[in-house]
Amino acid sequence: NAGVTQTPKFQVLKTGQSMTLQCAQDMNHNSMYWYRQDPGMGLRLIYYSASEGTTDKGEVPNGYNVSRLNKREFSLRLESAAPSQTSVYFCASSGGGVADTQYFGPGTRLTVL
Amino acid sequence: GENVEQHPSTLSVQEGDSAVIKCTYSDSASNYFPWYKQELGKGPQLIIDIRSNVGEKKDQRIAVTLNKTAKHFSLHITETQPEDSAVYFCAASKGTSYGKLTFGQGTILTVHP
Repeated sequence: NAGVTQTPKFQVLKTGQSMTLQCAQDMNHNSMYWYRQDPGMGLRLIYYSASEGTTDKGEVPNGYNVSRLNKREFSLRLESAAPSQTSVYFCASSGGGVADTQYFGPGTRLTVL
Repeated sequence: GENVEQHPSTLSVQEGDSAVIKCTYSDSASNYFPWYKQELGKGPQLIIDIRSNVGEKKDQRIAVTLNKTAKHFSLHITETQPEDSAVYFCAASKGTSYGKLTFGQGTILTVHP
């Protein structure tokens, strides 16, 4: 099993450009998450999907949209990238039960110029 | 919402020494407390977790303690080794169906040979 995979690994955008970060998991998990990681701030939840067909905002959703394409895939879209969105983005998944372990992907390092 | 504070931000020890990282949380309803280890260029990986009905949990050289009255929990690593060098994150969660986590800011642990 590959676990949680993310593409791309690195991306450089210009201000105003758009892009979609892809995430897929092969663990048959119900819940999926998108986090951003900034120095000294830990990981902050952007959006999550408790189950297929549902999505909801996390702590820092502004400037982002998500799509739960099916049970395996959860994408994060930046419609008009801003320098403040320069960060490392992690996707995670879990079984969906209370206190289920979250498994993280390897991350996407995004730079917005 | 929940707020998790983690200290210290950096910790340097000699191989064989013990390391302790402490976290405090604000929401008394939180009942699940995982610890993640993040190696350079990788996503966080769960190393140990504790639930609110347990005061201490051990797994080989790693232990976690929880004081619900004081709302703090700690990670203890004994007999540290250079491969323990990484960033460690604590997190807290309430009992919800999707397991939303609030992370601390992270501790950079360096173990010197």
